[in-house]
Amino acid sequence: DTAVSQTPKYLVTQMGNDKSIKCEQNLGHDTMYWYKQDSKKFLKIMFSYNNKELIINETVPNRFSPKSPDKAHLNLHINSLELGDSAVYFCASSPGNSDQPQHFGDGTRLSIL
Amino acid sequence: EDQVTQSPEALRLQEGESSSLNCSYTVSGLRGLFWYRQDPGKGPEFLFTLYSAGEEKEKERLKATLTKKESFLHITAPKPEDSATYLCAVYGGATNKLIFGTGTLLAVQP
Repeated sequence: DTAVSQTPKYLVTQMGNDKSIKCEQNLGHDTMYWYKQDSKKFLKIMFSYNNKELIINETVPNRFSPKSPDKAHLNLHINSLELGDSAVYFCASSPGNSDQPQHFGDGTRLSIL
Repeated sequence: EDQVTQSPEALRLQEGESSSLNCSYTVSGLRGLFWYRQDPGKGPEFLFTLYSAGEEKEKERLKATLTKKESFLHITAPKPEDSATYLCAVYGGATNKLIFGTGTLLAVQP
């Protein structure tokens, strides 16, 4: 059983489009995260939710909007996609705060044409 | 500012040739240092958490150690299946988030 699953795995789209990435975890964790990994493999936190409440909101363009319908799901919606949004986006979850190990999904590779 | 630096960026080893990866960090009040392994096309896979200087953790051919300024991931007699990118991350300071280094790409040749 996949612990943290993301869909889709690949997303190829045109500049200016709106797209969503979905994430689900079946670990019973309270906290979920979105990370962006650039071409140099650097992982940077974007958002974090604890039990559906936003607790980390990094300096990310307003075009990115996370939504957590329940504590097992955290989706990421991106409006008006730009070339610089091309990256791999990872979802993760942890039992509580960031002092406990985070478990990652396999990523969504977003390519903007 | 909290910072994590990993070295070397890339390391090529022969099978059986032991070595160490370094993770230097600057964070006020470390609350946890994490090692992850990432394979191509996959998400980071958790390996170890270290919480205080002097702590050591082992798993198969891997051993992680921690001082007040750095952590080492020692790889003993590596095998080709140990080839991956190894990521270090720290949690601490005033921010409530995990800060990652840029990783070490390890290639173990048979």
